[in-house]
Amino acid sequence: AQKVTQAQTEISVVEKEDVTLDCVYETRDTTYYLFWYKQPPSGELVFLIRRNSFDEQNEISGRYSWNFQKSTSSFNFTITASQVVDSAVYFCALSDGYGSSNTGKLIFGQGTTLQVKP
Amino acid sequence: DTGVSQDPRHKITKRGQNVTFRCDPISEHNRLYWYRQTLGQGPEFLTYFQNEAQLEKSRLLSDRFSAERPKGSFSTLEIQRTEQGDSAMYLCASSLKNYEQYFGPGTRLTVT
Repeated sequence: AQKVTQAQTEISVVEKEDVTLDCVYETRDTTYYLFWYKQPPSGELVFLIRRNSFDEQNEISGRYSWNFQKSTSSFNFTITASQVVDSAVYFCALSDGYGSSNTGKLIFGQGTTLQVKP
Repeated sequence: DTGVSQDPRHKITKRGQNVTFRCDPISEHNRLYWYRQTLGQGPEFLTYFQNEAQLEKSRLLSDRFSAERPKGSFSTLEIQRTEQGDSAMYLCASSLKNYEQYFGPGTRLTVT
């Protein structure tokens, strides 16, 4: 069965600190996608990144970076120089692999609440 | 591109009543998903449409729940004989093929 675990329920940091959100997943699929979504207080889920299981290159987008390690089934998310606007709930998610026959349904972790204090 | 929209944003109903929610996906997105999110939890998959065909339903979707997507455009999710346990945020998402899903703002249901 597919499962996503975000062991950190809540994290509190002071602005400008770096913070890493952990994500560990389980799947029997050989091809799959991993995602991160942000849910600010307004409630709408915002897509941040999609990674396929064959691409283990780390990715950087501005202050955001992602570290995918297939050997440890982890897909961690780092925010550098955090800002108050980064305060939100962050979800890691997993979906089945490629092909038109796959549903693409997302299996979410329980989320990590990040509070960035000024 | 106006994004995924959902209507209503909030719904308060009495136990036993029927409710219907609407989702308008991003135009030309052929895949549409419904999820349910309760407080402090991640969203849970309910059902999936590819164009107008409903291809998968979660075991979470009891017989009281039904979803449609006529003509492969907007979708509706109906809950009959609502129960207090149905109180949650109902989220709709759409995607083009199996690319990333874009979510709507959700419909918050409160059953009293």
